[in-house]
Amino acid sequence: TQLLEQSPQFLSIQEGENLTVYCNSSSVFSSLQWYRQEPGEGPVLLVTVVTGGEVKKLKRLTFQFGDARKDSSLHITAAQPGDTGLYLCAGPTQGAQKLVFGQGTRLTINP
Amino acid sequence: EAGVAQSPRYKIIEKRQSVAFWCNPISGHATLYWYQQILGQGPKLLIQFQNNGVVDDSQLPKDRFSAERLKGVDSTLKIQPAKLEDSAVYLCASSRAGVYGYTFGSGTRLTVV
Repeated sequence: TQLLEQSPQFLSIQEGENLTVYCNSSSVFSSLQWYRQEPGEGPVLLVTVVTGGEVKKLKRLTFQFGDARKDSSLHITAAQPGDTGLYLCAGPTQGAQKLVFGQGTRLTINP
Repeated sequence: EAGVAQSPRYKIIEKRQSVAFWCNPISGHATLYWYQQILGQGPKLLIQFQNNGVVDDSQLPKDRFSAERLKGVDSTLKIQPAKLEDSAVYLCASSRAGVYGYTFGSGTRLTVV
């Protein structure tokens, strides 16, 4: 069974600070996806990383896929209250066309 | 492009009652998924459909949960009888190309009292 572990589970910081959240597995994934979920809504895809060592930037968000394709990180620079939400990483199961999700990191940015 | 539609948005029932959720995927998306998201956890797959056939229902508690996808479009998920531990958000997602291009609905929040 492919599992994704996210850390930390909860993070509360002040506006303007930087932060990094992690997604780790003992299994190799062909790709990993990051989603953000706001209260009362479904997860919304932020990015997909597919190549080991890949770095993708989305404004103040930087996503990295580990060289061995077993882990990923999300770094937010100068966090804003609008970044508040549940961040989920997800990866495809081997040989199947469905996603398995980590337990999420609940991020709160305080004004 | 219209998104994935789910209804109802909220439902409160007593334990041992039955409940049904409805999902209308994005037009042209052959694959439909139902996920259960318990508070504080990530979504867990319950069942995957490809057109109107079941691809994976290994995590579906079949003694109480059932799902169908008539004509390969809309889908319903039913719980009968409900237990307290079924309290969760039930998310429907659809995809045109497997794991690339998942789109989620807003979910149905179920509270079992």
